[in-house]
Amino acid sequence: EAQVTQNPRYLITVTGKKLTVTCSQNMNHEYMSWYRQDPGLGLRQIYYSMNVEVTDKGDVPEGYKVSRKEKRNFPLILESPSPNQTSLYFCASSPGQAHPGPQHFGDGTRLSIL
Amino acid sequence: AQTVTQSQPEMSVQEAETVTLSCTYDTSESDYYLFWYKQPPSRQMILVIRQEAYKQQNATENRFSVNFQKAAKSFSLKISDSQLGDAAMYFCAYRRTQMDSNYQLIWGAGTKLIIKP
Repeated sequence: EAQVTQNPRYLITVTGKKLTVTCSQNMNHEYMSWYRQDPGLGLRQIYYSMNVEVTDKGDVPEGYKVSRKEKRNFPLILESPSPNQTSLYFCASSPGQAHPGPQHFGDGTRLSIL
Repeated sequence: AQTVTQSQPEMSVQEAETVTLSCTYDTSESDYYLFWYKQPPSRQMILVIRQEAYKQQNATENRFSVNFQKAAKSFSLKISDSQLGDAAMYFCAYRRTQMDSNYQLIWGAGTKLIIKP
């Protein structure tokens, strides 16, 4: 089954404790992206990757890092989380090459930073 | 920069009736894609319908249809014969078609749809 898998689905942690949210897709997609969803703001892009070893900032990259060492994985790293990063996070992928189809989304990760 | 506006934070409709959710967007591009996504309480993002800007015909998927007015930059979603399972947040989203660009989706703030039994 084609899917984007995020882990964990829920995480409560404290300020400053490094954490990683994993994202993996099994569709051989070139393009992957991270969004955060906040009430009244919709989804905003954090980082994206056009292919292996190619990443770039989205609209709200501050406080986040990503890596793309393999095509299937695109982890989101919070080196020193702060309470303003409490949010719902989504990983998405698509084939690339201006594919007009929908991006495939993971089920979301709810992060709470205390 | 492109923006997407959903002016209705919340809408309610009686089961079996029809409801229309509004979406407007701003862009200087002539070719792009527009989407409606549904997010039920399970948090999944589910594609409802998509529209290519170069196509004049409005997209339809079963009980879901859009009214795409390119000149007015309007993209409303009509849900016919509303069902309890339609209750969710609905997001309108925009994407450029340029091959060398970030395939970023630009999102509206969402409309919460309530279905009254």
